[in-house]
Amino acid sequence: GQQVMQIPQYQHVQEGEDFTTYCNSSTTLSNIQWYKQRPGGHPVFLIQLVKSGEVKKQKRLTFQFGEAKKNSSLHITATQTTDVGTYFCRLRGDSSYKLIFGSGTRLLVRP
Amino acid sequence: GAGVSQSPRYKVAKRGQDVALRCDPISGHVSLFWYQQALGQGPEFLTYFQNEAQLDKSGLPSDRFFAERPEGSVSTLKIQRTQQEDSAVYLCASSLYGQGSNQPQHFGDGTRLSIL
Repeated sequence: GQQVMQIPQYQHVQEGEDFTTYCNSSTTLSNIQWYKQRPGGHPVFLIQLVKSGEVKKQKRLTFQFGEAKKNSSLHITATQTTDVGTYFCRLRGDSSYKLIFGSGTRLLVRP
Repeated sequence: GAGVSQSPRYKVAKRGQDVALRCDPISGHVSLFWYQQALGQGPEFLTYFQNEAQLDKSGLPSDRFFAERPEGSVSTLKIQRTQQEDSAVYLCASSLYGQGSNQPQHFGDGTRLSIL
């Protein structure tokens, strides 16, 4: 069945440093979404990627979909303390209705 | 409503008791999902409804877990004879349309369930 791996599990950076999380799928994806969950909060939708090689930017966040549509990355430039949280990729599982999340990358930012 | 509403926010129960968790999705949203999130983990898929039809329940851990959405709006997740491993945050999410993975999911704040 569908397997998803997200790395790293956590990352602790100094404010101003960059951060990247990677999501890898065992199968080709039709699309992938990214979510952010603040401590004590719920996942909040960030973006969706659909096309092979697609790159989207939201201010300091850059999202990329791999050419083979089996992996994706989220890069944050010059992290701020407001970036603290866990970032999850979300993709379709074994059925059309089963939408699964990666294990997440927890970002901690030292001020 | 403005967002997905879940109640109660916190629930403490003794092992063996039955619990019922409620989710009120965004008005008009066709799709409704339940997830279980253990501490430090990602949300784990439990079940999916399209209107009142439960189209996927492959993630329910055991037959002690039961979900319903009888009128295609509010949903209830019921756990019978609770066990300590059921302790987790239960998240509900809704999406505007049915089927397809190309829509954002809107999450509620979750119910934190603690089994003593």
